Amino acid sequence: AQTVTQSQPEMSVQEAETVTLSCTYDTSESDYYLFWYKQPPSRQMILVIRQEAYKQQNATENRFSVNFQKAAKSFSLKISDSQLGDAAMYFCAYRSASGGYQKVTFGTGTKLQVIP
Amino acid sequence: EPEVTQTPSHQVTQMGQEVILRCVPISNHLYFYWYRQILGQKVEFLVSFYNNEISEKSEIFDDQFSVERPDGSNFTLKIRSTKLEDSAMYFCATGLAVLNEQFFGPGTRLTVL
Repeated sequence: AQTVTQSQPEMSVQEAETVTLSCTYDTSESDYYLFWYKQPPSRQMILVIRQEAYKQQNATENRFSVNFQKAAKSFSLKISDSQLGDAAMYFCAYRSASGGYQKVTFGTGTKLQVIP
Repeated sequence: EPEVTQTPSHQVTQMGQEVILRCVPISNHLYFYWYRQILGQKVEFLVSFYNNEISEKSEIFDDQFSVERPDGSNFTLKIRSTKLEDSAMYFCATGLAVLNEQFFGPGTRLTVL
């Protein structure tokens, strides 16, 4: 079974600074997807960024980028130029690329506080 | 931008009662999911549903739970006899294809007294 581990329950960052959220995962599969979801206090989860395991290039979305280390099974999220609206719970998640397995497995989350 | 919607936003029920949580998927989506999040814990997969059948379910999804698309649009999760430990936030998610992104609804907070 796949597992996702987020070892930082809480993080804080000064506005306009950069913060990195850590995530490790365990799987025996070679093809899969990794995600970072943001869950603001309103509680609707929003996809921030997605990485396909077969792609060596790290995904980026504006101020959000990942450091994907497949051999180390590590998938960290970097938020640059942090904004007050970035304050939320961030979940790292895994999904098999095998069509028969559709579930997303989530980590326990990291609560990010942005300090003005 | 199309969104997944869920009703009600908050449901309070007595232990042993049946509840039905409703989800309206994005219109052209074909894959449907339920997840739950007990307060302070991680989001957990419950079930996936495609072509009017359950395609995958977790060990949490026991005989007390059922899903259906009664009218071809709404996607429902029924809990037959609620227990205190069913208190959680329940999220519906939908996807266009099996490996496409899952879009999450805002959730229904279920409180079992």
